[in-house]
Amino acid sequence: QQQVKQSPQSLIVQKGGISIINCAYENTAFDYFPWYQQFPGKGPALLIAIRPDVSEKKEGRFTISFNKSAKQFSLHIMDSQPGDSATYFCAASMDTSGSRLTFGEGTQLTVNP
Amino acid sequence: GAGVSQSPSNKVTEKGKDVELRCDPISGHTALYWYRQSLGQGLEFLIYFQGNSAPDKSGLPSDRFSAERTGGSVSTLTIQRTQQEDSAVYLCASSLGAYSAYEQYFGPGTRLTVT
Repeated sequence: QQQVKQSPQSLIVQKGGISIINCAYENTAFDYFPWYQQFPGKGPALLIAIRPDVSEKKEGRFTISFNKSAKQFSLHIMDSQPGDSATYFCAASMDTSGSRLTFGEGTQLTVNP
Repeated sequence: GAGVSQSPSNKVTEKGKDVELRCDPISGHTALYWYRQSLGQGLEFLIYFQGNSAPDKSGLPSDRFSAERTGGSVSTLTIQRTQQEDSAVYLCASSLGAYSAYEQYFGPGTRLTVT
């Protein structure tokens, strides 16, 4: 009930391409879905987040698509750049649990120049 | 301003020893979270504090793990009688409150290696 499943485990994209990472959740009580970006040796940093009352949120080159009925959400990185190479984590939380984050397994993205 | 800081950045200890990991949250942040990042388990929640109280300790893996927070600021995660499976990066995060409206800011983590 608390799991968040993420795929793919790793992703290689050419510069300028679109990177797509998918996540699925089970617990319908989750009410907040953030994506985190992590570089080696650093802690995760919030990239973009969405709530289940909207189906899409865009910030610059990053877009979250959310499908409430399917309990799935995805991150799209448009015009991927070598500097986007990092590990990406989807997560889910609910205010009734103090907003503790339940993370997906992570996707290691490599953008080739 | 200063972000979340953690110390030490690296800790190597022998199996069976006790270790203390420290987290200094962003000033004014009332909520503080501990997570663990390991190859086998990914990123997992351990415990969170609202002020000095810990409403949710459900993520602590065993009674060898404990944490406290004093003065609504610094938090210490203590692992007693360390085991090799405790080797991981321990991450601390803080936020203005324990609600999703407030972003969680992560520290750089403490890498613990148990030999």
